Amino acid sequence: ETGVTQSPTHLIKTRGQQVTLRCSSQSGHNTVSWYQQALGQGPQFIFQYYREEENGRGNFPPRFSGLQFPNYSSELNVNALELDDSALYLCASSLGGGNGNTQYFGPGTRLTVL
Amino acid sequence: RKEVEQDPGPFNVPEGATVAFNCTYSNSASQSFFWYRQDCRKEPKLLMSVYSSGNEDGRFTAQLNRASQYISLLIRDSKLSDSATYLCAVIVGAGNNRKLIWGLGTSLAVNP
Repeated sequence: ETGVTQSPTHLIKTRGQQVTLRCSSQSGHNTVSWYQQALGQGPQFIFQYYREEENGRGNFPPRFSGLQFPNYSSELNVNALELDDSALYLCASSLGGGNGNTQYFGPGTRLTVL
Repeated sequence: RKEVEQDPGPFNVPEGATVAFNCTYSNSASQSFFWYRQDCRKEPKLLMSVYSSGNEDGRFTAQLNRASQYISLLIRDSKLSDSATYLCAVIVGAGNNRKLIWGLGTSLAVNP
């Protein structure tokens, strides 16, 4: 296993609600990247956190926001949920900023928006 | 044109067969390339990084063709347990703008 953990594993919300997803990185890793993977698609990059600062962002609206804590764990927050937000949310842990280093994924959080 | 493209398959092959997947990328400045394996409803798991000189890990061989801008994955002596979706991922951009861009994945079913 990668040592990357995510919680919760599954979540059901309704449109308009807010959600917080959590990720603990692999020991020694200081970078967390978040991805959204819709059914039948590849992962889409949301953003990355390196040493508690956002370090790159994909094409996601501002209602997708995040945090990284001093222990390098991270949260993804999504406000005003929409039906299309239903997906598997993956976090990936790596060492060093930027996306050039091998990333190890957590098991994901499956979010369903009704 | 998408930045990273894969044939979605599905590829249906018998046990013991050799199967190859390609993944094309559009950005000639791309530096790093990876193959991941993803089982149904699970997270992607790194299968192998792809180096310019090519690399082999047991039954799996990955190669990079910079001139034609594609990477390949060859699986020899397929096992039932190789059934999964194989995702390629490519680093694009520079510095803090580097991003990992993924293909849609190629589905492989190995049949008894």
